[in-house]
Amino acid sequence: EPEVTQTPSHQVTQMGQEVILRCVPISNHLYFYWYRQILGQKVEFLVSFYNNEISEKSEIFDDQFSVERPDGSNFTLKIRSTKLEDSAMYFCASEGGFYGQQPQHFGDGTRLSIL
Amino acid sequence: GQNIDQPTEMTATEGAIVQINCTYQTSGFNGLFWYQQHAGEAPTFLSYNVLDGLEEKGRFSSFLSRSKGYSYLLLKELQMKDSASYLCAVRVVNGGATNKLIFGTGTLLAVQP
Repeated sequence: EPEVTQTPSHQVTQMGQEVILRCVPISNHLYFYWYRQILGQKVEFLVSFYNNEISEKSEIFDDQFSVERPDGSNFTLKIRSTKLEDSAMYFCASEGGFYGQQPQHFGDGTRLSIL
Repeated sequence: GQNIDQPTEMTATEGAIVQINCTYQTSGFNGLFWYQQHAGEAPTFLSYNVLDGLEEKGRFSSFLSRSKGYSYLLLKELQMKDSASYLCAVRVVNGGATNKLIFGTGTLLAVQP
């Protein structure tokens, strides 16, 4: 069964450094999402992406965050200057089919630890 | 605002049936999803409902009543491997091309021998 793949599985970074989290969505999927989950808390929506542009973003997704689809397969989340509170599990998800008719499938996540 | 409530923890016995409830108050409702999440892992899709009624998928079933803002996930013939957190998530539309998921805090199910 096709999967969403994320790399790296774990990223340890000093505060203030830039990080790039990478995702390869399921091929032929059209809608892409980033979520995060702080340890012990619920999964939170960050941003959605369609047709090479941001469709929606949450209040969490401030100017320090950006997303990009640099080629036909990768989907990246960049945090420009990391803060301690950015420590969390980051999940990429993709969704296929027509408008809102299929479930979102999640990757295994990247555990981001900011020191 | 968007609000999703589900019990924090439940305990059940191997081989039994358990029902996990979820109530929601959201705007732009476009479906309710259930995911399973083992500790430290990604959410795995289980079931979803867009219309009222029961959806059955093997040992898992999910029910939705949109007028009551209520859903439940039913797990039958419980196995030890079903011990996990079960996440209720509402898909909401905002007029754009994508539909984000709003998650509840999850129900941690412990299956005992």
